[in-house]
Order: sequence, then structure tokens, then C-alpha cells
Amino acid sequence: GAGVSQTPSNKVTEKGKYVELRCDPISGHTALYWYRQSLGQGPEFLIYFQGTGAADDSGLPNDRFFAVRPEGSVSTLKIQRTERGDSAVYLCASSPGGANSGNTIYFGEGSWLTVV
Amino acid sequence: KNEVEQSPQNLTAQEGEFITINCSYSVGISALHWLQQHPGGGIVSLFMLSSGKKKHGRLIATINIQEKHSSLHITASHPRDSAVYICAVPTTQGAQKLVFGQGTRLTINP
Repeated sequence: GAGVSQTPSNKVTEKGKYVELRCDPISGHTALYWYRQSLGQGPEFLIYFQGTGAADDSGLPNDRFFAVRPEGSVSTLKIQRTERGDSAVYLCASSPGGANSGNTIYFGEGSWLTVV
Repeated sequence: KNEVEQSPQNLTAQEGEFITINCSYSVGISALHWLQQHPGGGIVSLFMLSSGKKKHGRLIATINIQEKHSSLHITASHPRDSAVYICAVPTTQGAQKLVFGQGTRLTINP
């Protein structure tokens, strides 16, 4: 497709389980971002990839969260030992360059995670 | 870190009204993003601007870098404009990540 694709669109999981969320960015976009949005709040930064490397992972809340982008395109956000507080929309975005490089950022539809 | 404040948080208007949403930020930036989020979570980028004004259809975005302030205007508003509008700025000069305002929930009644 032409846009940023995220799967699954919805995920309900039990507390303590492991979850993977996938992001397929626009082809050719080197920058990829993960954001988390809780109900009624603006998105919060989690991690930024430039190519294959995590250029900035300062937004990951703790060591239960991890993300990879092994080939510089698709990225997977991994959450271990999920907690109810992890329930949120996880948004992926991509752009041709970084956010401060004058590039438009393209967002996916998000993955709604509910931990019960 | 860059703090971003939007106002109003909620706005309800009648179809046809002129709408203004404001965004203020605390740290100097090189670009500001206006985004639209519909129910269900999808976010669409409306504008990325670094100075002056941009126009796209009925949407107009302005920015005053000296005053660290931007506005999003909607002319001849329509119920389909109902959404959450979010402004976002880089955290510091040269930073590659965005910090977002809490959003303005706009409802346009027919």
C-alpha cells in the first residue's frame, strides 16, 4: 500500500503476556517513529529509527519495551509482561528524513492495545 | 524539552463558522506540524511550516517564530471537519522527535 501500515489494528491480551506490534512504513522512508497515545492525551514519543539503528530510544518507558528494525524498513515494537497501564494506541510514523528536517510525517492508523 | 500548549481544548461551533485553534510552544524550533486525528486513531498531517502562512483548501496555518505561536484556521467549517487537531514541534533544535500538544477536539454541528 501507499501509506504506513500497522498490524494488528486491535489487540486484546491478558496481563503478563507478550505482544508484538508491526509497522510497515512508506517505501523509501528512512525515518520511523513509534508513539503511544493514551485516551484523551496527545501522542508521546517512544523510539526513533534512522535506517536500521535506534537513533533515540529515550521514550521507551522501561525495559519491558523493545523495538527493532532489522532491515531498515519494517519495525516491530515488542512489549513483555504486559500490564494494564500499557493499554493505549500505539502509533507508527515514517518520513523521508527526521522530524526536524522539514519533512512531512506520515502516520499509520495505529494499533489499539488493551491489556485485561 | 519543548512544552506545547493548545487552546481551546474543546470547541463546538455551527456549520459555516470560522474556526481558530491556537498553539504555543516554549523552545525555538525550525518547523511546526499541524495534524488531524479522527475517531479511531488515524492521524493525518495537515501542515508542516517554518514561517509565515500556508493554505490548503479551507485550512490556513500561520506561525510567528518570534512569539513561538501558531494558529490553525478553518473557513466555512463543515461537520466533516469534526476531529481532534494536534500541533507538534521538535523537542529541541535539531531533534528528530516530536512533542505533541494535547489536542483540540472540534465539533461542527450542522
